[in-house]
Amino acid sequence: DAKTTQPPSMDCAEGRAANLPCNHSTISGNEYVYWYRQIHSQGPQYIIHGLKNNETNEMASLIITEDRKSSTLILPHATLRDTAVYYCIVRVRQINTGNQFYFGTGTSLTVIP
Amino acid sequence: GAVVSQHPSWVICKSGTSVKIECRSLDFQATTMFWYRQFPKQSLMLMATSNEGSKATYEQGVEKDKFLINHASLTLSTLTVTSAHPEDSSFYICSARDIGTSGSGEQFFGPGTRLTVL
Repeated sequence: DAKTTQPPSMDCAEGRAANLPCNHSTISGNEYVYWYRQIHSQGPQYIIHGLKNNETNEMASLIITEDRKSSTLILPHATLRDTAVYYCIVRVRQINTGNQFYFGTGTSLTVIP
Repeated sequence: GAVVSQHPSWVICKSGTSVKIECRSLDFQATTMFWYRQFPKQSLMLMATSNEGSKATYEQGVEKDKFLINHASLTLSTLTVTSAHPEDSSFYICSARDIGTSGSGEQFFGPGTRLTVL
């Protein structure tokens, strides 16, 4: 089962920063937070991941609270192509089968011209 | 970047027939691949974890005899939907973990296969 909760939808004006929140209050100490996005009828695309520290790459920034119970994905300058469903995932580590992703319902982000 | 392909991208079949879907990691080796199913307007649901050279591990509620998974090499996993019925119509997506970066746990997803059973 998914260990994350996200708002079902958000709007963002083109060119502005999009801040997508995620709650993961039951996260364990060694579990990573991953963000993916899915554009309609395509496979999910990796965005960023982190454990404790804030992370930044060419696509986005990930801010993780000190208690690790929530995080925020920041798209600094949203474009129309960023319209997608964004998934926040806590990687679950299973001893015998490896690391699984259990997707939650995600946030449908619409970037408005 | 790491690329995962799926074949076919879409398939239409008659009820009762079996359909095989291939998932390939094109530029990396993957000891572990994952199969997901996604119904319209819903999230991805993990079906099974496929490990190279061993039996797949299925999630609760997924029939292993209906969804046969084979992971015979480090770059190929197949999902066979046996005796498909209309309720099996869905978007099937695979993902793979790069053996070289297994510590980070990042999964690379394929483009998906749209299955329609008539």
